Amino acid sequence: DAKTTQPNSMESNEEEPVHLPCNHSTISGTDYIHWYRQLPSQGPEYVIHGLTSNVNNRMASLAIAEDRKSSTLILHRATLRDAAVYYCIAGGGGATNKLIFGTGTLLAVQP
Amino acid sequence: DTEVTQTPKHLVMGMTNKKSLKCEQHMGHRAMYWYKQKAKKPPELMFVYSYEKLSINESVPSRFSPECPNSSLLNLHLHALQPEDSALYLCASSPPGLAGVGEQFFGPGTRLTVL
Repeated sequence: DAKTTQPNSMESNEEEPVHLPCNHSTISGTDYIHWYRQLPSQGPEYVIHGLTSNVNNRMASLAIAEDRKSSTLILHRATLRDAAVYYCIAGGGGATNKLIFGTGTLLAVQP
Repeated sequence: DTEVTQTPKHLVMGMTNKKSLKCEQHMGHRAMYWYKQKAKKPPELMFVYSYEKLSINESVPSRFSPECPNSSLLNLHLHALQPEDSALYLCASSPPGLAGVGEQFFGPGTRLTVL
């Protein structure tokens, strides 16, 4: 699994877009890029994953750089409920879908 | 049913006790995981079961003993733990998917305190 680097913390205002960056310069060709988030006092929650192309789902969008060495999680309109630690993970795949969590970004959302 | 349940929610045990953590899912997932999370740290993978067989042990001390009796149930048996083993223990499961990549569904965790 490739090492990921994320900012320790970020702040956003409610109803504004949030762009959470992640660097994974040592990513291999078969590593997926996953994002999970962990709300206070809860287990992690899947957000989105992708391999090469940008991905959209009901929660967020994932923009992957052409060289795959970085990616950005986009929350289109932040709500107070989006305040959480966001983890970017480069790896997974294979028979066991092993995920190694990095240190994550603590997102604060201001009303 | 789209959730992973874990029992108990909280557990306090002495260093000489034997206890077990239980995890259950009824989503038909065939991969199940144990993670350990210390305060303000990311989850750390401990064990992976795939089709009820242990496929990954991340060099976890033998005082932690996992067991997967069937495809819906995952146990973690604890014996002779140390105070530094106090943490949140998270269980997760995932469906078999393309190239093994599937969303992992996490339970709420068991908060373990070792005295």
